[in-house]
Amino acid sequence: DGGITQSPKYLFRKEGQNVTLSCEQNLNHDAMYWYRQDPGQGLRLIYYSQIVNDFQKGDIAEGYSVSREKKESFPLTVTSAQKNPTAFYLCASYPSTGAAGRNEKLFFGSGTQLSVL
Amino acid sequence: GESVGLHLPTLSVQEGDNSIINCAYSNSASDYFIWYKQESGKGPQFIIDIRSNMDKRQGQRVTVLLNKTVKHLSLQIAATQPGDSAVYFCAENNPGGFKTIFGAGTRLFVKA
Repeated sequence: DGGITQSPKYLFRKEGQNVTLSCEQNLNHDAMYWYRQDPGQGLRLIYYSQIVNDFQKGDIAEGYSVSREKKESFPLTVTSAQKNPTAFYLCASYPSTGAAGRNEKLFFGSGTQLSVL
Repeated sequence: GESVGLHLPTLSVQEGDNSIINCAYSNSASDYFIWYKQESGKGPQFIIDIRSNMDKRQGQRVTVLLNKTVKHLSLQIAATQPGDSAVYFCAENNPGGFKTIFGAGTRLFVKA
């Protein structure tokens, strides 16, 4: 089955600790995204990557870092600088970053719930 | 910045009735809109989309209406079922790039 796999489903972080959330896709999509979702709110963009070895900050990038060494993988690290990390994190992919791919929907993973111990 | 918002945070309907979920968007340059459904603890799933050169699009039991004059989007669900209970997000694609902007969401409750 093609899709996006996020792991783990649940993650706990101790104070001062960095944690990494995994996101893997086998859809051969160009772009990948990380969103944060807080209760009662919509999705806020953390980082996105349109091509391997390149990524851009979204609206709430502070306290987070990413890498895009492979097309299939876009891990998100929640650093100790993120003081309020408890949230539901969603990874998504987008088929094409060419002009023909402008109007396309996002494909989402099943999310990771991060909580602070 | 630009944002997509929803009029009602919660909607409760009787099973079998039709549901209407509304959305206002602020970027008049947006040319592609999507509705997603998110069940508890899961990622959003695509329901239906519409391009700005259309004002109505129908799917299976769902219809999306776009009014560009007042920058308003709506999702209509016919014969609402318990399985339709979820949070519904409208979203617009940034016309200059590949960023999708989401509204806050409307939680739909279906009463049996």
